[in-house]
Amino acid sequence: EIVLTQSPGTLSLSPGERATLSCRASQSVSNAYLAWYQQRPGQAPRLLIYGASNRATGIPDRFSGSGSGTDFTLTISRLEPEDFAVYYCQQYIRSPPGYTFGQGTKLEI
Amino acid sequence: QAHLQESGPGLVEPSGTLSLTCTVSNGFISENSYWSWVRQPPGKGLEWIGQVYHSGSANYNPSLRGRVTISIDKSRNQFSLILNSVTAADTAVYFCARHGGYNQDYWGQGNLVTVSS
Repeated sequence: EIVLTQSPGTLSLSPGERATLSCRASQSVSNAYLAWYQQRPGQAPRLLIYGASNRATGIPDRFSGSGSGTDFTLTISRLEPEDFAVYYCQQYIRSPPGYTFGQGTKLEI
Repeated sequence: QAHLQESGPGLVEPSGTLSLTCTVSNGFISENSYWSWVRQPPGKGLEWIGQVYHSGSANYNPSLRGRVTISIDKSRNQFSLILNSVTAADTAVYFCARHGGYNQDYWGQGNLVTVSS
């Protein structure tokens, strides 16, 4: 079983600053299978990044994803007030087919 | 753009059956796509429950296998979740979602289900 570990658990920053969120897998993950989501309080998750580095439709270009193998990163270049939320990474598992999520990083002001 | 809406009871008794339906708008259910259920216990992270393909074949989280069934009814633009023998640990917000490749790109707003007598 591949486990995704996100760090830090909580990240305290200010608007305008740069945020770097980490997702580490216990085994190598194909880039195609790695996604990032944002979840604001009381809302459903929103797809930000798919295929490790591709922005989903309508996602601002201040969000970027990078990495390969076991280490992946979500970067928010200049934080806006609406970016303070919880972020999850997710992997697709081929056999048996399924998905797992990291435990989440809370980005707070 | 797909719109998804969960519906079902908000309260289920322990050892009972949790049953939720997700209604998909605009004919998107007929696409060659997967449809998933994901849950989130209060104050905790996300857990994938399982998925169903437009053909009706399904895959489940091994931790729930034996208790869960996901099915699809394209004639009603719906897919459904049944979870048997529920306990307090199954209390969560349940989301339905559409797959856009190896991810979920459209989500319902979520339905809180509480397991309690």
